[in-house]
Parts: sequence; C-alpha cells; structure tokens
Amino acid sequence: AQSVSQHNHHVILSEAASLELGCNYSYGGTVNLFWYVQYPGQHLQLLLKYFSGDPLVKGIKGFEAEFIKSKFSFNLRKPSVQWSDTAEYFCAVKNSGGYQKVTFGTGTKLQVIP
Amino acid sequence: DAGITQSPRHKVTETGTPVTLRCHQTENHRYMYWYRQDPGHGLRLIHYSYGVKDTDKGEVSDGYSVSRSKTEDFLLTLESATSSQTSVYFCAISESVGSDTQYFGPGTRLTVL
Repeated sequence: AQSVSQHNHHVILSEAASLELGCNYSYGGTVNLFWYVQYPGQHLQLLLKYFSGDPLVKGIKGFEAEFIKSKFSFNLRKPSVQWSDTAEYFCAVKNSGGYQKVTFGTGTKLQVIP
Repeated sequence: DAGITQSPRHKVTETGTPVTLRCHQTENHRYMYWYRQDPGHGLRLIHYSYGVKDTDKGEVSDGYSVSRSKTEDFLLTLESATSSQTSVYFCAISESVGSDTQYFGPGTRLTVL
C-alpha cells in the first residue's frame, strides 16, 4: 500500500524567508504526486502536480516541487514566502494505474510572520 | 473553482442520531469521494464512487454508508453518529481514471455531542 510522510508538522518563517517542505512516499510503482494547499477556513486547492516528464514542477503562486525518484521524495519549495502563504500544505500520492485512490500526508502547517 | 457544493456546511447532532451529508456537483465528473479531515491525520478516504450506483469503501469506512443515484449527487450517511465522527468532511470529484486532479468542496463541519 502507498503511504506519504510529511515530517514537518508546523513550520514558522518570517516573510521573505525560503521555504522547503518535505514529502516522502512509499510505493513501488509509477506514481502521480500532488501538493494541495488549504488556506484558513477554506477547502483544499491544487498547488501543483507531477505526472511525468520534467521532474521540476512549477505551480501557482511561485511554488515549485522536485520529484526525486531515487529518494522517493517530492519536496515543495518557494524562494521567498509571503504572509499570505500561511496555510496548511498537503502532499499526496496516487498510483498511476487503476482507479484514483489518492493517499494524503498528514499536512504541514506553515505560519509566516510579517 | 469546480462547481461543488456541500450541505449542510455546519451541523451539530447528538450521539445515536442519523446524519446525512450531501455533495452536489455541476461538472458531470464520474468520480466522487468523501474524506474526513482530522488534526494529525490529514485527509482520509471514507468512500468513493466511480459511477451511478457504483461505490466502494475507503480506508475509514466503518460507521458510514454512501449512495449515488445520480451523477451529480453523492450522499454520506452516518447511521448512528458517534463522538468519534466529529470531523470536517470534504467531498471531492475527479473527471477520469487517468492522471487527473481531485477538486474539493467547501467542507462540512460536523459535531457529534
């Protein structure tokens, strides 16, 4: 069975600091990878996704993630965070075959201090 | 945003009472999902549907049932609510079995006293 680990549960950064959130998955086959963001009081929204091709994926709002197959990782990065990036971030993995069972990580709460 | 609504948005109920949550979509997507979100657990899949009258269990299906009589509606029922079912429930939809994205509804906050 697939699983996702997000080791950072709560991250506090000052504005303009660089961000990197870790995501590791376990699954032996081909995977699709996602990062979702949940702003306070809102539903989850897709930030970016990787299906194939260039392992460096760019998403909305200046976020990017790099798929490193040898490390089973899909870390999320942003060079300079803003207060408006305060949210909870979820990594998710789906096996690329079969029905779409997506497994979510437990989430990382990011707090950006002005 | 995808056309997904959930009702009710908030509900407080008592232990032992039945509760039904509704998810309605206007996107004509085939796949629909119910998740619960709890601190420290992220999102966990309760049930999903891959077509009208076609449903299957997720990882935390005990105590829940679902029905899908129309493409646009996916109902989640708690036959006899328990305090452990206090949670935020999210519905999601996706278009196809291929490499696709799930779109989430606004959520329902359920409190079982």
